[in-house]
Amino acid sequence: NAGVTQTPKFRVLKTGQSMTLLCAQDMNHEYMYWYRQDPGMGLRLIHYSVGEGTTAKGEVPDGYNVSRLKKQNFLLGLESAAPSQTSVYFCASSSLRGWALGDIRETQYFGPGTRLLVL
Amino acid sequence: AQTVTQSQPEMSVQEAETVTLSCTYDTSESDYYLFWYKQPPSRQMILVIRQEAYKQQNATENRFSVNFQKAAKSFSLKISDSQLGDAAMYFCAYRSALSGANNLFFGTGTRLTVIP
Repeated sequence: NAGVTQTPKFRVLKTGQSMTLLCAQDMNHEYMYWYRQDPGMGLRLIHYSVGEGTTAKGEVPDGYNVSRLKKQNFLLGLESAAPSQTSVYFCASSSLRGWALGDIRETQYFGPGTRLLVL
Repeated sequence: AQTVTQSQPEMSVQEAETVTLSCTYDTSESDYYLFWYKQPPSRQMILVIRQEAYKQQNATENRFSVNFQKAAKSFSLKISDSQLGDAAMYFCAYRSALSGANNLFFGTGTRLTVIP
């Protein structure tokens, strides 16, 4: 059981280039999330998904797109990278079942993060 | 929108001593969850402790405990018998208990240094 994994761990892009970050979870969680973390700030939600084939915007969605074609995978795309997107990106997942049952132990499980540098 | 404030960017503690990290939040909701996460240099976010707003009893997990003051909207974390492995960034987080709400709102974090 690997939990939540992220690929790649580190990437350098030039302004205008595109890339996709991959998040995978093996816990059969329904909910998945993408956050970014900038210096001096807490994590901010970019997009999230409540199930396969569904996505929704979070707090800072501009410049990003996401897809959830398979339940275990959640992809974050940057179509035209900008220096303002230099950040550390975290993926997380959580269980719908736990939430629906009011399971107070339910929480979000985080991946190890991807460091992205846009020059 | 909910906001979470951690007013201590950095804290330090001697090994084996006790340290308290502060967190305040702003919300108009009556039911919610509060969390403390630890982020070591590996950058992975690890859940330390959680608190349900409807519970008056403060949560405890081994050496970690919280002081939850709902009226004051305060949620501090106490680490007893500090260990070198406790050195990390600590984030306070809030989540609504409303049905369908699933976003975590994070504070800016407190960097804890443990001095041998």
